Amino acid sequence: DVKVTQSSRYLVKRTGEKVFLECVQDMDHENMFWYRQDPGLGLRLIYFSYDVKMKEKGDIPEGYSVSREKKERFSLILESASTNQTSMYLCASTTSGLPSSYNEQFFGPGTRLTVL
Amino acid sequence: SQQGEEDPQALSIQEGENATMNCSYKTSINNLQWYRQNSGRGLVHLILIRSNEREKHSGRLRVTLDTSKKSSSLLITASRAADTASYFCAALSSYKLIFGSGTRLLVRP
Repeated sequence: DVKVTQSSRYLVKRTGEKVFLECVQDMDHENMFWYRQDPGLGLRLIYFSYDVKMKEKGDIPEGYSVSREKKERFSLILESASTNQTSMYLCASTTSGLPSSYNEQFFGPGTRLTVL
Repeated sequence: SQQGEEDPQALSIQEGENATMNCSYKTSINNLQWYRQNSGRGLVHLILIRSNEREKHSGRLRVTLDTSKKSSSLLITASRAADTASYFCAALSSYKLIFGSGTRLLVRP
């Protein structure tokens, strides 16, 4: 059974803290993604990675960075957490190949982050 | 905004009825996908329709795609209480999935 796991289901942090969200997939997928989900806005892409040590900015990268040191692990880093980063964070992965052939993305269960 | 639009935002139906959700998008696409999300959980892929297809079926799901109108619809037939969830369309454009804002479906037993 394919699996994407995220390190925490719920997380509470204080403004200014550095926050690490971890995502691990066991499907040998090349592509991994970080989204945030807010009510009424759907999912918005923060960063994605198509290979180890490669990363690309998504639509809302400000205030975030990422790390992909190993193929199976993609980390999202909030350098200095702020209250407007309170959100649900979802990690996903998919197979490689031509972008036009991308099929389904497999999602983790999400991390609900609250920044006080 | 690149976000897609979904209509309706919320839908409440009786078990056994059909549920139809609509999605519009703004860019040219490679394919369009539908996902389901149970409350507070991750998304699960339901069905994918490619840009050169007009209709696709999978079990109780039927998806249509009209690229001239940049719109898609998802029909769930003979709904069940277990279908209660949020449903999102996602348009694949180049390398990115662009998600709609979702439809919350409530199926009353």
